[in-house]
Amino acid sequence: ELKVEQNPLFLSMQEGKNYTIYCNYSTTSDRLYWYRQDPGKSLESLFVLLSNGAVKQEGRLMASLDTKARLSTLHITAAVHDLSATYFCAVGIGFYGGSQGNLIFGKGTKLSVKP
Amino acid sequence: SAVISQKPSRDICQRGTSLTIQCQVDSQVTMMFWYRQQPGQSLTLIATANQGSEATYESGFVIDKFPISRPNLTFSTLTVSNMSPEDSSIYLCSVERVAETQYFGPGTRLLVL
Repeated sequence: ELKVEQNPLFLSMQEGKNYTIYCNYSTTSDRLYWYRQDPGKSLESLFVLLSNGAVKQEGRLMASLDTKARLSTLHITAAVHDLSATYFCAVGIGFYGGSQGNLIFGKGTKLSVKP
Repeated sequence: SAVISQKPSRDICQRGTSLTIQCQVDSQVTMMFWYRQQPGQSLTLIATANQGSEATYESGFVIDKFPISRPNLTFSTLTVSNMSPEDSSIYLCSVERVAETQYFGPGTRLLVL
């Protein structure tokens, strides 16, 4: 059974600080997704990582993927209050017929950035 | 990207009744997915809906409880049948864009009393 583990599950940060969220998964996959969810809202796609060593950056967020270690990280640089949300990683499985297949989600990291 | 709408956005239902949730996409897609997010939890895939074939259900989900229709390439429905309070969740549909990502609809917030 595929497991996707995120840590930490809760993260309270001060503005201006840096931190990293980790996402470990238990089976082979070369597709790793990061999503953001604000309270009462749906999921917003942040990054899709499709190969070993992939690194993507958007603003204060940077995501990387190490498929050999089965590890992805989401690094937050100089956090601001607007980044407060729950962040999910998800692993893609079951690639067939050109489809990306299903996503298996981690439990999410609830991030709170305090002034 | 993909623009996805869901109806209803929320509902309060009595136990034993059924609710059908609609998902509409702004362009044709091959695969549509239905997820459930229980309160304070992560997302769990219910089933995959491919146009022209029966939906594929994940372990723990059965067609009698969650029948799905996929009549065309832009539309799908999920029915939550014979509801109980344990069915109170957010139900989300998603679609994929090959070489892009999976996009999620706004969700349907269901409360079963």
